[in-house]
Amino acid sequence: AQKVTQAQTEISVVEKEDVTLDCVYETRDTTYYLFWYKQPPSGELVFLIRRNSFDEQNEISGRYSWNFQKSTSSFNFTITASQVVDSAVYFCALSEGHRDDKIIFGKGTRLHILP
Amino acid sequence: NAGVTQTPKFRILKIGQSMTLQCAQDMNHNYMYWYRQDPGMGLKLIYYSVGAGITDKGEVPNGYNVSRSTTEDFPLRLELAAPSQTSVYFCASSGQGPNTGELFFGEGSRLTVL
Repeated sequence: AQKVTQAQTEISVVEKEDVTLDCVYETRDTTYYLFWYKQPPSGELVFLIRRNSFDEQNEISGRYSWNFQKSTSSFNFTITASQVVDSAVYFCALSEGHRDDKIIFGKGTRLHILP
Repeated sequence: NAGVTQTPKFRILKIGQSMTLQCAQDMNHNYMYWYRQDPGMGLKLIYYSVGAGITDKGEVPNGYNVSRSTTEDFPLRLELAAPSQTSVYFCASSGQGPNTGELFFGEGSRLTVL
């Protein structure tokens, strides 16, 4: 069955430091989709990125970057030069889109950016 | 654009009471999902639907029921509320499911069962 593990429950870094959030997934499928979502203190859920299993290219969007490695079943998320506004809970999610349409989330990592 | 609308935003129930959480989307999305988020925890999938008339169980369906009579609406029913169902409930929709893109989430419904 599909599973997402975010081993880091909570991380605190000082503003302007770089920080990496880990995500390890398990799936039986060769076709699957990975996601990252952000939940700021206000509580809404904000989509950050979607990646399919056939695209292992790393992606950069401003200060955000994602490292997808099928060999280690990981989809890690790095924030460069962190800012206080990055403080949030970040969720990694997985869908075995070829098999069914469930989207399963990890437990999340709570990130504190200290001024 | 309204997007995904959930009602009510807050509700307190007594043990054994029933209620329905409403979810409506105006984006003509086929895929809809219900998640619960317990304090300090991640999102757990309760039920999901890939189109009108089709529903499927997620990770934690016990104690809940859903229906999908229209594309727009996906209500979640709690029949006999229990303290373990105290949580924040999120409804979400997607145009083509995980194959194409993101989930659009509602603002959440905070339910307390006493």
